[in-house]
Amino acid sequence: QQPVQSPQAVILREGEDAVINCSSSKALYSVHWYRQKHGEAPVFLMILLKGGEQKGHDKISASFNEKKQQSSLYLTASQLSYSGTYFCGTEFRNDMRFGAGTRLTVKP
Amino acid sequence: EAQVTQNPRYLITVTGKKLTVTCSQNMNHEYMSWYRQDPGLGLRQIYYSMNVEVTDKGDVPEGYKVSRKEKRNFPLILESPSPNQTSLYFCASSSIQGAHYGYTFGSGTRLTVV
Repeated sequence: QQPVQSPQAVILREGEDAVINCSSSKALYSVHWYRQKHGEAPVFLMILLKGGEQKGHDKISASFNEKKQQSSLYLTASQLSYSGTYFCGTEFRNDMRFGAGTRLTVKP
Repeated sequence: EAQVTQNPRYLITVTGKKLTVTCSQNMNHEYMSWYRQDPGLGLRQIYYSMNVEVTDKGDVPEGYKVSRKEKRNFPLILESPSPNQTSLYFCASSSIQGAHYGYTFGSGTRLTVV
């Protein structure tokens, strides 16, 4: 079953913050986050494995709630290069499913 | 360079003409998978493979076949393509099903069936 992502689309000005959510109806083994630029392949950002875990690099971070059913991706002080579609991928047993994606547009 | 190589990048074909999209990875990954991407639907899994000679259906396997005779290769076969298989296809691989390292995606194959 695909995880549910929200919002579907976000438009920001440079320097603004955004949060993208990803939720599942059942506890997960892990959550992945990917970014896809138009016409390109998705690129891996990070993976969270443990309930309560938070992880990040540069100004992009993510959290995984205690029940391991929801994850959020935080983009702070957004840059033009952050534009793209963000996908969460959720693992349950031997299976990986991706959300429908969140299109993020950062404008000058 | 570690990568997943898909061929071709673009393909236009006619209904019913068998085709194969190749996927090869040079990272010795056990896990490989095929996805199709359609507007508003994100990435949907077609088939995946945990290792050589081990394959399983994903969410949308109808009309597709795969094989995993060698660890590095995972071709996607459309025996009788139909227009509803027009889509952008991605192959992905990972070590131990993506644990800790994430998936590496190929550059994609844009398929049009007329």
